[in-house]
Amino acid sequence: DIQMTQSPSTLSASVGDRVTITCRASQSISNWLAWYQQKPGKAPKLLIYEASSLESGVPSRFSGSGSGTEFTLTISSLQPDDFATYYCQQYHSPSTFGQGTQVDI
Amino acid sequence: QLQLQESGPGLVTPSETLSLTCTVSGDSIRNDNYYWGWIRQPPGKGLEWIGSGYYSGSRYYNPSLKSRVTISVDMSKNQFSLKLTSVTATDAAVYYCARLPRGDFYFDSWGQGALVTVSS
Repeated sequence: DIQMTQSPSTLSASVGDRVTITCRASQSISNWLAWYQQKPGKAPKLLIYEASSLESGVPSRFSGSGSGTEFTLTISSLQPDDFATYYCQQYHSPSTFGQGTQVDI
Repeated sequence: QLQLQESGPGLVTPSETLSLTCTVSGDSIRNDNYYWGWIRQPPGKGLEWIGSGYYSGSRYYNPSLKSRVTISVDMSKNQFSLKLTSVTATDAAVYYCARLPRGDFYFDSWGQGALVTVSS
């Protein structure tokens, strides 16, 4: 099984901060990686797919990068609506999620 | 606009079978471009992929659950379903149904989720 490890587990930030979350795969997954945002009591929402492709309707302050085993999600200027938990997901073989990164104030 | 809605019993007895249905509206489950899948999330924990299926028969299951999981598709009702046998307390979770682009197994649209408790 491919294991996905996110860091940090919790991140404290302020509005306007640049935030970076890292996701590492236990083996190469090429660019088969997605990022999701989840708010309490809600379903996850797709932000990024294929490591760097922005889902339609997602603000451009979100960006993804990386390939192989190391990936990052960057929020260029944190907004109040961005305080949430973020998950990465590999879908190279077959599908596993990271443990999540909670972004709070 | 695509909508997915989970339905089914919110309480399942240990050792019994968990059954959930996802009703799709705003798209056909026979759409060649998409798979349909299930994900779960135990309370306060992370996400776990359960399985995915195509309307014409292809199925992919999480190896850790494969022996207990069946995903089926009912094209006449535009629904797909999940059955998980021999449940235990560790199967208690919010269960989500979702859509996956064919060939790219990420989840681009999600249902709101259904909480399933396992208790006698």
